[in-house]
Amino acid sequence: AQSVTQPDIHITVSEGASLELRCNYSYGATPYLFWYVQSPGQGLQLLLKYFSGDTLVQGIKGFEAEFKRSQSSFNLRKPSVHWSDAAEYFCAVGPITGNQFYFGTGTSLTVIP
Amino acid sequence: DAGVIQSPRHEVTEMGQEVTLRCKPISGHNSLFWYRQTMMRGLELLIYFNNNVPIDDSGMPEDRFSAKMPNASFSTLKIQPSEPRDSAVYFCASSVGQVPNEKLFFGSGTQLSVL
Repeated sequence: AQSVTQPDIHITVSEGASLELRCNYSYGATPYLFWYVQSPGQGLQLLLKYFSGDTLVQGIKGFEAEFKRSQSSFNLRKPSVHWSDAAEYFCAVGPITGNQFYFGTGTSLTVIP
Repeated sequence: DAGVIQSPRHEVTEMGQEVTLRCKPISGHNSLFWYRQTMMRGLELLIYFNNNVPIDDSGMPEDRFSAKMPNASFSTLKIQPSEPRDSAVYFCASSVGQVPNEKLFFGSGTQLSVL
């Protein structure tokens, strides 16, 4: 069955520190992978996506993610976190059939001064 | 563009009442999705439409839930009767085209509380 797992429910980092959010997926074919961010009271915004080609993808707001097929992972990274990065982050895989996306349960990021 | 517009932003109702959530997709987008977000289950796809036609409603939890898309610019998600376990944030999203669908545009969501 197709699924997305985000093992970390909540992460706290200091401002300026590096960040890595984990995402693992189970999928029967080449996945299309996405990271979304949800700021408090806001909808979801696409950070970056991977379809094919270079396995290291760059996104908005200084985020990047690396697709590792052997590990079925698509971890999100940022070298230096800003206080405004505090939000909920969702990893997603899709489409599988039609236009369905499957999301992880999210990782809540807290940034401390 | 105003983006995907959802209303209301917040809804508080009593158990047993009918609840209607509304969504206006981005003009020109022909796919529309309804998602539900809860702490326990994360983000779940409830139903999606393509060209106003429901394509997959397998995520709709039960018969109390129904969704319609009478035209390309409007969709509703109705819960009748509502129950406390329906409390969640409901997101509407829209996109252009079919597979591969590379970008979804999400609304700000409707926070539903059923007391």
